[in-house]
Order: sequence, then structure tokens, then C-alpha cells
Amino acid sequence: LAKTTQPISMDSYEGQEVNITCSHNNIATNDYITWYQQFPSQGPRFIIQGYKTKVTNEVASLFIPADRKSSTLSLPRVSLSDTAVYYCLVGGSNFGNEKLTFGTGTRLTIIP
Amino acid sequence: DADVTQTPRNRITKTGKRIMLECSQTKGHDRMYWYRQDPGLGLRLIYYSFDVKDINKGEISDGYSVSRQAQAKFSLSLESAIPNQTALYFCATSDPTAIQETQYFGPGTRLLVL
Repeated sequence: LAKTTQPISMDSYEGQEVNITCSHNNIATNDYITWYQQFPSQGPRFIIQGYKTKVTNEVASLFIPADRKSSTLSLPRVSLSDTAVYYCLVGGSNFGNEKLTFGTGTRLTIIP
Repeated sequence: DADVTQTPRNRITKTGKRIMLECSQTKGHDRMYWYRQDPGLGLRLIYYSFDVKDINKGEISDGYSVSRQAQAKFSLSLESAIPNQTALYFCATSDPTAIQETQYFGPGTRLLVL
């Protein structure tokens, strides 16, 4: 199981672009990289998933370098409502085959 | 996600009591999961099920049991609750046939064991 390392916490001001980097040095060939967002007392919510290069959706962008040993979640022009914990997960398309763990995530606080 | 529901949403029980947390889903997914989350920590996998005939232990299954009554229902039981099982419990589902499998979480059950 590929282990991930993320910063424990980050602060940013409203309107800024926020980049959260996740390290996953032992990522396997068939592993995808997935990011979830969790608000207090709610279940995590899928944000974005990618395999290589760049993926963009209406919420975020995900940058994955060629060696895939890290990935960066980019949130454009954050607002107070983006305050949450962000989890980086690495696993195959068959998540259920692994003892999946979300880790502690990155607690992002947006400052007015 | 409203398609994944959990009951009860909050529960207080005493040490030694048996309790059951229930999860139902209308997403038609075969895979279901139970996680626990402790304050300030990430989610840890307790059990998961690929289909109604499949049950697998997760990272922290000791003290817990599960039952997959149907594709839509996955229950978590604490046979004899203890205080360190006080936590927030989440149920999740996923569709293995999706090109990119992601998990959909319920609203959580907050459990307090006295």
C-alpha cells in the first residue's frame, strides 16, 4: 500500500490560490491519486482524481509530475467555505482490495 | 451524500452494551465500507464488503462485526462497547465498474460510550 505524506495544516487568505502537495514515493504502476475534502462532522467528499499529468474540473486542478512520486492539489481563488481537511489517497482502481487509510490529511484554514 | 444514509446519527451507550449502526444506500453499488474517525485523526477502515457474500477485515476490526444483509444494507455491530470506541463512524459505498472508482460517504454516526 502506497503511503502518503501531506502537510498537517495550511493557512491561506481568501482569494488566493492554494496548493497542497502530497508525497507518495512508492506509488505503484496501476495506482490512481485521489483527493477528498471533509467538512466538520461530515463524510469526506470526492474532489478530483488523476493518474498522470494534469486533471482539472470545476472545483480544482491536480498536477502530477512524470515520476508520479508526488501530486499537488490546486484550489483557485479560495473562499471561507473551502476551510476543510483535504486527504490524498493513492491506490489502484480496485480500492476495496487494499486496507485503505485516509491518514490525517491537511487541515486548510481560509482567513478572511 | 443523500444516497447513503446512516442510523442513528447520534448514540450514547454504556460500556458492555451491544449496539448496531446501520447503513443504507440507494446508489446500487456493490461495495460498502465502515470507517471510524477519532478527533483530529483521519479515517481508519474497519470492515469492507465487495458484495453480499463477501466480508473483509480492515485496519481495525477488533471489537467490531458486520453484516451485509443485502446489496443496499451494511450494518456495523459493537458486541460489547468500550469507551475507546467513542468516535465518529462513517459508511461509504463505491462502484468497482466505474472507470475511476471513488467512494461516497454517509453523514456519519457519532457514538459516545460511557
